[in-house]
Amino acid sequence: ELKVEQNPLFLSMQEGKNYTIYCNYSTTSDRLYWYRQDPGKSLESLFVLLSNGAVKQEGRLMASLDTKARLSTLHITAAVHDLSATYFCAVDEETSGSRLTFGEGTQLTVNP
Amino acid sequence: GAVVSQHPSRVICKSGTSVKIECRSLDFQATTMFWYRQFPKKSLMLMATSNEGSKATYEQGVEKDKFLINHASLTLSTLTVTSAHPEDSSFYICSARDPQEATEAFFGQGTRLTVV
Repeated sequence: ELKVEQNPLFLSMQEGKNYTIYCNYSTTSDRLYWYRQDPGKSLESLFVLLSNGAVKQEGRLMASLDTKARLSTLHITAAVHDLSATYFCAVDEETSGSRLTFGEGTQLTVNP
Repeated sequence: GAVVSQHPSRVICKSGTSVKIECRSLDFQATTMFWYRQFPKKSLMLMATSNEGSKATYEQGVEKDKFLINHASLTLSTLTVTSAHPEDSSFYICSARDPQEATEAFFGQGTRLTVV
């Protein structure tokens, strides 16, 4: 059974600071996704990482994938309040009809 | 990008009644759609995989007779919560992939179900 673990689960940080969210998974996969969820809303796609060493950046967020270590990171640079949300990583089980298995989520609060 | 539309966004129903949630792929055909359930402050849990023209595949612990899934066309999957009880109250989200963009998974807006 595929397991996807995120840490930390809760993150409170000051504006302007940097931090990294980690996502470990238990099986081989070349596809990893990062999503943002605001309260009461569905998922917003942030990044799709499709190969070992993939790095993508959008604004203050940067995601990377190390398939050998089965690890993805979501790095936040100079956080702003608008980044407050819950962030999920998800791994594509290619052998199971391309369904996604999600991590527990990281609830990020950026304080002024 | 491709869009998945889910309806209704919110529904309140009485215990014992049934509720149908629709998931549509608006500009692509999806032979497979996924239904997730999310409890407050928890992650998404896959309930079932909806397969066009055949029976859905349910995850372990999900009652097939409770959560009826129909995928009658390439653009529509429905989830019916039958004989709803308060413990069925949750946030339900569907997902689908465009075969032309197989790497991306698109999510519906979600349905907040409250059973009273």
